[in-house]
Amino acid sequence: DTGVSQNPRHKITKRGQNVTFRCDPISEHNRLYWYRQTLGQGPEFLTYFQNEAQLEKSRLLSDRFSAERPKGSFSTLEIQRTEQGDSAMYLCASSPLSLAGDEQFFGPGTRLTVL
Amino acid sequence: AQKVTQAQTEISVVEKEDVTLDCVYETRDTTYYLFWYKQPPSGELVFLIRRNSFDEQNEISGRYSWNFQKSTSSFNFTITASQVVDSAVYFCALSGKETSGSRLTFGEGTQLTVNP
Repeated sequence: DTGVSQNPRHKITKRGQNVTFRCDPISEHNRLYWYRQTLGQGPEFLTYFQNEAQLEKSRLLSDRFSAERPKGSFSTLEIQRTEQGDSAMYLCASSPLSLAGDEQFFGPGTRLTVL
Repeated sequence: AQKVTQAQTEISVVEKEDVTLDCVYETRDTTYYLFWYKQPPSGELVFLIRRNSFDEQNEISGRYSWNFQKSTSSFNFTITASQVVDSAVYFCALSGKETSGSRLTFGEGTQLTVNP
């Protein structure tokens, strides 16, 4: 399978715990994106990387959230001190390095439930 | 600021009917890109089409067609002879080259149900 993969697919945690998600993009794609989707809503942009550089962060990304892409390949998204409002689907997408407007290929998402 | 509005929250049709999903957008960018994605019950977003702001030519791909009109800031999606497998949530999205780079701004989606 050469698509975007995400792990875990589901995560249930208690409020206050830290969680980490992983995204493996399509191998030749330089750009990697994180979005969050709550029930009944469209995905909302969180952040994106070009290779290992984090180029943009949304104001939705509070200081409890941190994302890394250390070698320009896979990426991790960590949420510290989780809150019930963090419950959502976290989507990762990748695209090749080009002008803006390339289609982004999405992974299956990680569904987070904070109890 | 960029905004995408999909006014139809839910649409229900009977198989073989034609159905049009509406999308209206707002942007101050002169160069921008419009997308449609499909999200079936399995949850994974599937890319359907991309148009850039300089290409208003309508496009047809099998049973799918798209109507892009800059004058009304709309990018509507029509499914002809709908099938049960078309049941999904459909999202319209926008990225503006000048102000938002590669970031996609999504609408709230339209839940399409095709009944047999």
